[in-house]
Amino acid sequence: DAGITQSPRHKVTETGTPVTLRCHQTENHRYMYWYRQDPGHGLRLIHYSYGVKDTDKGEVSDGYSVSRSKTEDFLLTLESATSSQTSVYFCAISEHGEPSYEQYFGPGTRLTVT
Amino acid sequence: DQQVKQNSPSLSVQEGRISILNCDYTNSMFDYFLWYKKYPAEGPTFLISISSIKDKNEDGRFTVFLNKSAKHLSLHIVPSQPGDSAVYFCAARGSSNTGKLIFGQGTTLQVKP
Repeated sequence: DAGITQSPRHKVTETGTPVTLRCHQTENHRYMYWYRQDPGHGLRLIHYSYGVKDTDKGEVSDGYSVSRSKTEDFLLTLESATSSQTSVYFCAISEHGEPSYEQYFGPGTRLTVT
Repeated sequence: DQQVKQNSPSLSVQEGRISILNCDYTNSMFDYFLWYKKYPAEGPTFLISISSIKDKNEDGRFTVFLNKSAKHLSLHIVPSQPGDSAVYFCAARGSSNTGKLIFGQGTTLQVKP
């Protein structure tokens, strides 16, 4: 299994509060991704990173920001959480540090915004 | 605008029989397709993939078929086992430069003993 951890695994927060989710990898892979999973939508890409300090938007990036100051860590921040951001969030990495075909996923973070 | 669609939310089959999961896509520029399996409370795990230059790829009990003219791919599981019960996502690679994947909505497979 690829060495990917996510923290926290579960979080409940109130509307309007900032939230940061962390993805940590031990594989030294260049590419990292943040997805959210919602019923009826599958997994949708929020943001991705192709290197330290190199990030770009995905299809559902509004309300989210990311940072990558080290190869191993990719942070997802909700500046002011809303109920529509209640979801399960997955981090993924690309094998061998290239945007190759398979992505490997972390265990997920379940976020509830009340 | 859903570029990758799995129109069957759920599928139930008997153990030992074949499971066929379907996926349709709209963008003819997709060049690589993948299937992931997901158990509850876990992250998706890669199952099998196929390049757009092929029409079939097989790995043990799992076979993926690609019909480019119909923009359709399917995953066959033979024989199905109770441990195969999970949510299955198909995905298409939208960009060779970034590796970004576009996922379908998922199909929940239940294999009954």
